[in-house]
Amino acid sequence: NAGVTQTPKFQVLKTGQSMTLQCAQDMNHNSMYWYRQDPGMGLRLIYYSASEGTTDKGEVPNGYNVSRLNKREFSLRLESAAPSQTSVYFCASSESVIFLGSGVHFGNGTRLTVT
Amino acid sequence: AQSVTQPDIHITVSEGASLELRCNYSYGATPYLFWYVQSPGQGLQLLLKYFSGDTLVQGIKGFEAEFKRSQSSFNLRKPSVHWSDAAEYFCAVGAWGSQGNLIFGKGTKLSVKP
Repeated sequence: NAGVTQTPKFQVLKTGQSMTLQCAQDMNHNSMYWYRQDPGMGLRLIYYSASEGTTDKGEVPNGYNVSRLNKREFSLRLESAAPSQTSVYFCASSESVIFLGSGVHFGNGTRLTVT
Repeated sequence: AQSVTQPDIHITVSEGASLELRCNYSYGATPYLFWYVQSPGQGLQLLLKYFSGDTLVQGIKGFEAEFKRSQSSFNLRKPSVHWSDAAEYFCAVGAWGSQGNLIFGKGTKLSVKP
């Protein structure tokens, strides 16, 4: 079972460049999430998608956009990358945003550096 | 404000010794509680979760955690640590209707001495 798959694993961007981080899950989960992880900060929610066709802002949405392409896929786009967006990005999924009792499952992350 | 506190940034234990990682939370609703482990360069793996029922929950890799509502704590324990347990451990809290927004602690890094 692949679980949650993210691509790419690593990326280096120059300030102002754009890119899209891809995420897919094969667990038939309804809800998907994008988090960022920064040293000493834990993980913070950027955006989430409760179900196919819906997206909502999390704690730190500025500078990002998302697309829930279908039930499996949820992408994160940086339109104009800034050094403050240097981070490790994690995609996650769960059965539902309402019921978390079965757990939230994470991908292996994308390490992004913006110079 | 909702928060999760892991008081210990870094803990070192000897292989074979017991382990307890502390987690305290502040959350208005009835919480879902999670412990995740992250090895260097890897994603987060779910160790265990508490939703309701028995307050002592068993997880993978020999870990367990106890929910104590009166102390707002969800401490992670293991009776005998193995060198492969060296990693960073994160406590997280969510709730019914929280829209999946888990609140994470800042993590505890575990080192294991031979």
